[in-house]
Amino acid sequence: AQSVTQLGSHVSVSEGALVLLRCNYSSSVPPYLFWYVQYPNQGLQLLLKYTSAATLVKGINGFEAEFKKSETSFHLTKPSAHMSDAAEYFCAVSGRQAGTALIFGKGTTLSVSS
Amino acid sequence: EAQVTQNPRYLITVTGKKLTVTCSQNMNHEYMSWYRQDPGLGLRQIYYSMNVEVTDKGDVPEGYKVSRKEKRNFPLILESPSPNQTSLYFCASRDHLGAGANVLTFGAGSRLTVL
Repeated sequence: AQSVTQLGSHVSVSEGALVLLRCNYSSSVPPYLFWYVQYPNQGLQLLLKYTSAATLVKGINGFEAEFKKSETSFHLTKPSAHMSDAAEYFCAVSGRQAGTALIFGKGTTLSVSS
Repeated sequence: EAQVTQNPRYLITVTGKKLTVTCSQNMNHEYMSWYRQDPGLGLRQIYYSMNVEVTDKGDVPEGYKVSRKEKRNFPLILESPSPNQTSLYFCASRDHLGAGANVLTFGAGSRLTVL
């Protein structure tokens, strides 16, 4: 069985500050891990994914995430927040077999103030 | 442009009036899925389809039906909508095999209100 826990339903930062969105996973098999972003009134789009190559994964818009097996974590970071980063972020996990179900966390809303 | 298209984007209806939300993808994906998104609950899978004529229940299938007669289309049917089905619905698709496996492409969403 697999599950994802996103710590903090809301995170607020100032423009230019570090963004840290937390995700912990549980999986009985080696996982694939994903971060998706949802901008207001839009569908979800893929930010980045971990598929067992490098543990530090770089995504779009300056975001990156590090897979830490010992901590079962896949936290999302960005060194300097921009107003346009305000959105809802979802962490997701799946098994490595092609076509297995994608399990989503409950989401974290990021607010960025000027 | 590769995309998943849902219609309608917004719909207000009344209890018991059957409705269908259409979903179409142009990427020749085998796998398609429907999710509902509710505040504080994230995305929950309603139904999914591994290929034409192959569908299966997700986590919250009650009150919904689907069909997959063609590879590109995967409509979501609410035979008798109730207020607890007021939600934001997303259709998604992905490759079943290969490098794109497990990466979902989402539609823009359909916001449904049942009065």
